[in-house]
Amino acid sequence: SQTIHQWPATLVQPVGSPLSLECTVEGTSNPNLYWYRQAAGRGLQLLFYSVGIGQISSEVPQNLSASRPQDRQFILSSKKLLLSDSGFYLCAFSPNTEAFFGQGTRLTVV
Amino acid sequence: TQLLEQSPQFLSIQEGENLTVYCNSSSVFSSLQWYRQEPGEGPVLLVTVVTGGEVKKLKRLTFQFGDARKDSSLHITAAQPGDTGLYLCAGALGNKLIFGTGTLLAVQP
Repeated sequence: SQTIHQWPATLVQPVGSPLSLECTVEGTSNPNLYWYRQAAGRGLQLLFYSVGIGQISSEVPQNLSASRPQDRQFILSSKKLLLSDSGFYLCAFSPNTEAFFGQGTRLTVV
Repeated sequence: TQLLEQSPQFLSIQEGENLTVYCNSSSVFSSLQWYRQEPGEGPVLLVTVVTGGEVKKLKRLTFQFGDARKDSSLHITAAQPGDTGLYLCAGALGNKLIFGTGTLLAVQP
């Protein structure tokens, strides 16, 4: 069966520190992969998506970057976190048009 | 610019009432999905609609895709407290999966 793992579940980081969130998928090959950010009670803002290894499309200019070093691994990074980077981050994979999500990471930048 | 606008943004109703959530766009989608999300978790897929005018039912939930494939609605009959959550529509534009602005539903017992 297809599964997605995202970690960590919660993270508290100081301003200016680096960030690395990781997401891995099992049970499928060459899925589309997505990183979203969500404000409380609101919709999902698409940050990055990838259709293959090393292929990253960025949707909004920001302090974040993404990488896909392996087919089923998607990483969200930052060199220096800002207060405005706080939020709920969600990784998803899509084998066709429907998305399946990880449990999310609650990031608080202090 | 938000491609998928949902209304209402918030909805608080009593158990047993009916409600409808709308998802509107100026773009045409080949398919549209509805998800439900609980606090602290990722969204979970409820349904996918593909054909213009299509209606799908999932127990007390009825989903409709607009004839022009630009909009969709979700109707809940006799809402229950277990229906409480954030409802999200989403559509694919090429390889991008775009989500709506969300409707936060609270069903009071």
